[in-house]
Amino acid sequence: NAGVTQTPKFRVLKTGQSMTLLCAQDMNHEYMYWYRQDPGMGLRLIHYSVGEGTTAKGEVPDGYNVSRLKKQNFLLGLESAAPSQTSVYFCASSPGTGGIDEQFFGPGTRLTVL
Amino acid sequence: QQPVQSPQAVILREGEDAVINCSSSKALYSVHWYRQKHGEAPVFLMILLKGGEQKGHDKISASFNEKKQQSSLYLTASQLSYSGTYFCGTELWNTGNQFYFGTGTSLTVIP
Repeated sequence: NAGVTQTPKFRVLKTGQSMTLLCAQDMNHEYMYWYRQDPGMGLRLIHYSVGEGTTAKGEVPDGYNVSRLKKQNFLLGLESAAPSQTSVYFCASSPGTGGIDEQFFGPGTRLTVL
Repeated sequence: QQPVQSPQAVILREGEDAVINCSSSKALYSVHWYRQKHGEAPVFLMILLKGGEQKGHDKISASFNEKKQQSSLYLTASQLSYSGTYFCGTELWNTGNQFYFGTGTSLTVIP
């Protein structure tokens, strides 16, 4: 089992460009999450999904969109990248509600917006 | 909504003990603990649920004071491998599946 994988691992964008980050899990988990991690801020929830076809906003959703068309994939989109979105992005999945089940994290995507 | 962790950083010698605290101003449904090594993803350590149920690691213990909305992680007889940043994560009552991580505690174990 690969667990949780993220594509790409690194990316540099110019302000205003768009991109999509892909998260895939092969554990048949219902719940999936996108976090961003900035120095001194810990991990902050951007969006999450409680099952195929569902998405919901987290703590810092502005500037991002998500989709979960297939249970195993969770996509994070930046329509018009801004320097404030420079961060490390982590995807995670859990078998049940994140409150009572551990979250399994992907290796992260380091994004720089110039 | 973000829980507060203390201390922000701690340095230990091998074999010493440490306590990391996590507190919230809101009613908690559960508390998670994760460890992250530099450049890597967070790794699960433990979950504590309202009502006293625990799931997790054999060599690390934790407590959850439901009345005070606080949790503490106890690292005993520390090893070099314990070094990393520790995060607590919390799910609040009546917020659906919103999940909030603390800002982290950097733990360094030296020989």
